[in-house]
Amino acid sequence: EPEVTQTPSHQVTQMGQEVILRCVPISNHLYFYWYRQILGQKVEFLVSFYNNEISEKSEIFDDQFSVERPDGSNFTLKIRSTKLEDSAMYFCASRAYTNEGNEQFFGPGTRLTVL
Amino acid sequence: SQQGEEDPQALSIQEGENATMNCSYKTSINNLQWYRQNSGRGLVHLILIRSNEREKHSGRLRVTLDTSKKSSSLLITASRAADTASYFCATSNFGNEKLTFGTGTRLTIIP
Repeated sequence: EPEVTQTPSHQVTQMGQEVILRCVPISNHLYFYWYRQILGQKVEFLVSFYNNEISEKSEIFDDQFSVERPDGSNFTLKIRSTKLEDSAMYFCASRAYTNEGNEQFFGPGTRLTVL
Repeated sequence: SQQGEEDPQALSIQEGENATMNCSYKTSINNLQWYRQNSGRGLVHLILIRSNEREKHSGRLRVTLDTSKKSSSLLITASRAADTASYFCATSNFGNEKLTFGTGTRLTIIP
């Protein structure tokens, strides 16, 4: 069964460093998302991406964040200068274009720890 | 209260009993989904119910949706120890259909 994959599973970085979180969505999916979950809190929407551009972003997704689909398969989230409060689980999700609903398939997540 | 709030926040039951979790939301939705998350792990999609549906079944899961009350419930019948996890409801609107998650119910099944 196809699945969304994410790498790395755990990333530790120093405050101020740049990180790139990688995702490989399901191959025939057209909509891509990043969410994050701070420890003990709810899952929060960051950004959605469709047709090679951002379709919506949340207040969290400020100028320090960017997304890219560089090669038609990978979908990356870059944080330019990490802050302590960026420590969280980051989930990538994808969905197909369908009239049946909006089932989003989530990856296993990348745990980002900023020291 | 925020979009997508589950209650109870935590629930402990004996194995074999039924578990019911509720979710309330505030805005109009296109559909509502339930996800399971084992501790520190990813989100597993359980079931999706569209706004024009009232009830849906999948195996031991039964989901109801009452759009007039802006609420949904997830029933897990004949619970098993492996059902121990956090359960989240997530709503989506029309458009790009980003998901707005609730606060979650932590379910513990006691063997």
